[in-house]
Amino acid sequence: GNSVTQMEGPVTLSEEAFLTINCTYTATGYPSLFWYVQYPGEGLQLLLKATKADDKGSNKGFEATYRKETTSFHLEKGSVQVSDSAVYFCALSRDDKIIFGKGTRLHILP
Amino acid sequence: DAGVTQSPTHLIKTRGQHVTLRCSPISGHKSVSWYQQVLGQGPQFIFQYYEKEERGRGNFPDRFSARQFPNYSSELNVNALLLGDSALYLCASSPRPLDRGTQPQHFGDGTRLSIL
Repeated sequence: GNSVTQMEGPVTLSEEAFLTINCTYTATGYPSLFWYVQYPGEGLQLLLKATKADDKGSNKGFEATYRKETTSFHLEKGSVQVSDSAVYFCALSRDDKIIFGKGTRLHILP
Repeated sequence: DAGVTQSPTHLIKTRGQHVTLRCSPISGHKSVSWYQQVLGQGPQFIFQYYEKEERGRGNFPDRFSARQFPNYSSELNVNALLLGDSALYLCASSPRPLDRGTQPQHFGDGTRLSIL
């Protein structure tokens, strides 16, 4: 069946460090891929998306590229800020369902 | 414009009881989906409704049911509550159904359900 696996947290980085959160998926056909973010005390928000192979989603300095050959959608940011501290969820949409990973908690230290 | 609104915000029930959770989508959105988020886990898909019809169902028992009304608002019903049903229940809306592939969903803040 369809599934999403993302790296376990928490991930702790210093401000201005480079960030990578790994995400791999299993799915039939060609799912759409998403990253959602949940800031402390807030609801889920869409961060970025990609709908076909080799698409790159980007928003707020974050990027992720849809890699069909490696079934991956890793989230990257070149220089993180304290305000990026949150829980990040990788997700796929396929066959009238959306499947989320377990989430990765990110802590950024000033 | 108002976002996705859910009610109530918090709810406490006891085992065996029944609960109804409510969701109003963003104006113009015809698809509503429900999710269960247990503490420390990602959201688990329960249902998707589009134009008042069920379009997708996750791996949940028949104690869970839902419906969508002509104004596109939705209710999630859970019967015979168990301790394991304690979770944050999220509602999300989008203009078109999930199978169109490109639709990001807009989430409400959720209803936190506690079962004693």
